[in-house]
Amino acid sequence: GAGVSQSPSNKVTEKGKDVELRCDPISGHTALYWYRQSLGQGLEFLIYFQGNSAPDKSGLPSDRFSAERTGGSVSTLTIQRTQQEDSAVYLCASSLVIPRGRYTEAFFGQGTRLTVV
Amino acid sequence: GEDVEQSLFLSVREGDSSVINCTYTDSSSTYLYWYKQEPGAGLQLLTYIFSNMDMKQDQRLTVLLNKKDKHLSLRIADTQTGDSAIYFCAESNWSGGYQKVTFGTGTKLQVIP
Repeated sequence: GAGVSQSPSNKVTEKGKDVELRCDPISGHTALYWYRQSLGQGLEFLIYFQGNSAPDKSGLPSDRFSAERTGGSVSTLTIQRTQQEDSAVYLCASSLVIPRGRYTEAFFGQGTRLTVV
Repeated sequence: GEDVEQSLFLSVREGDSSVINCTYTDSSSTYLYWYKQEPGAGLQLLTYIFSNMDMKQDQRLTVLLNKKDKHLSLRIADTQTGDSAIYFCAESNWSGGYQKVTFGTGTKLQVIP
């Protein structure tokens, strides 16, 4: 597709269940980012992928959160044993990887709104 | 680490100018960005400025950068109701061999008709 696609757009899950959120980046974009947007909190960085590897996982809030990327394309963010505080909008973005010091734009998906009840 | 701060809310009357402010901590930032998020939508890039520039103008938008004070502002002239959205300031820098983009908390702009 032309843009970053995320699915599902909305997800309601029971506390304690596992959920998988999917991101399809723009074709050819090697860099992929996951962010979490909570009400009144702004954007919280979760993880960055360059190709299939994740050089920066520093933003993952706990070991219940994990992410993978296969084929340098689709990425899946998995939250195990969901808690109510996991409720948020999870945003994915992709960009080209370019030489140091050059401009790049991150293109965002519409996000997945996760509600844990 | 990197930190980007914004005020949470701004209300202006239609036709007035809006000024959204942002401060950041990383002096090695390469680029600074303003993104716009309309209700129920993802973020879209509005404009950006290279860190060696002081000002950038793009139609109704003016970006001012004070690198000494690490202060960035976005001025929207003749604000319209369609400008109501959340505006995110962001800065990018090279960390560990890749470009990391750090976002602020976002400023919700309300335009009163």
